[in-house]
Amino acid sequence: GESVGLHLPTLSVQEGDNSIINCAYSNSASDYFIWYKQESGKGPQFIIDIRSNMDKRQGQRVTVLLNKTVKHLSLQIAATQPGDSAVYFCAENRAGGYNKLIFGAGTRLAVHP
Amino acid sequence: GAGVSQSPRYKVAKRGQDVALRCDPISGHVSLFWYQQALGQGPEFLTYFQNEAQLDKSGLPSDRFFAERPEGSVSTLKIQRTQQEDSAVYLCASSLRTSGSYEQFFGPGTRLTVL
Repeated sequence: GESVGLHLPTLSVQEGDNSIINCAYSNSASDYFIWYKQESGKGPQFIIDIRSNMDKRQGQRVTVLLNKTVKHLSLQIAATQPGDSAVYFCAENRAGGYNKLIFGAGTRLAVHP
Repeated sequence: GAGVSQSPRYKVAKRGQDVALRCDPISGHVSLFWYQQALGQGPEFLTYFQNEAQLDKSGLPSDRFFAERPEGSVSTLKIQRTQQEDSAVYLCASSLRTSGSYEQFFGPGTRLTVL
């Protein structure tokens, strides 16, 4: 399949290390944020979401942190595995309406054994 | 159950040709979205359907782009007189509800290459 994210910033980590992927969002009125994982040749896959009334949310091996003061979102992946290698996108939903998503530029995560 | 499916997976068109891209959303999903993803970029919103009604087409790049969902299930994105700048992956997503915060499920995309 085609490559996703040929020109994206890359985060390289060793297997077993923790990964932190950052994202700046643009609209202070956004009230819902999502992290997606996209593997080559596939569509984006939901990882975790967070509402604007929260600062932190945890899932299985993943944590999302939201700092509304500086409009910053981060995704933390614990004990990174080779299967985590992909391009990661943050997306924001403007308040109200039907959940039209605005995606960030993306970060490629490369996990080395 | 099956996820969102899209066909064809790959399409090569000569400049000036018309193309039609199909999306089969998850059964029962009311909302359907089309996004365009250029190489190395995040997906960009094109248009939104709630059942058969196209409520937002603000992201369609030009009047060469047309989308429909006549029976509120399958959707087709049509591009007339394709140009090289139309080359991208076209993603379809569906979700169960129409408002609030909820997950969108994406299909694998159709990779369009215009020569």
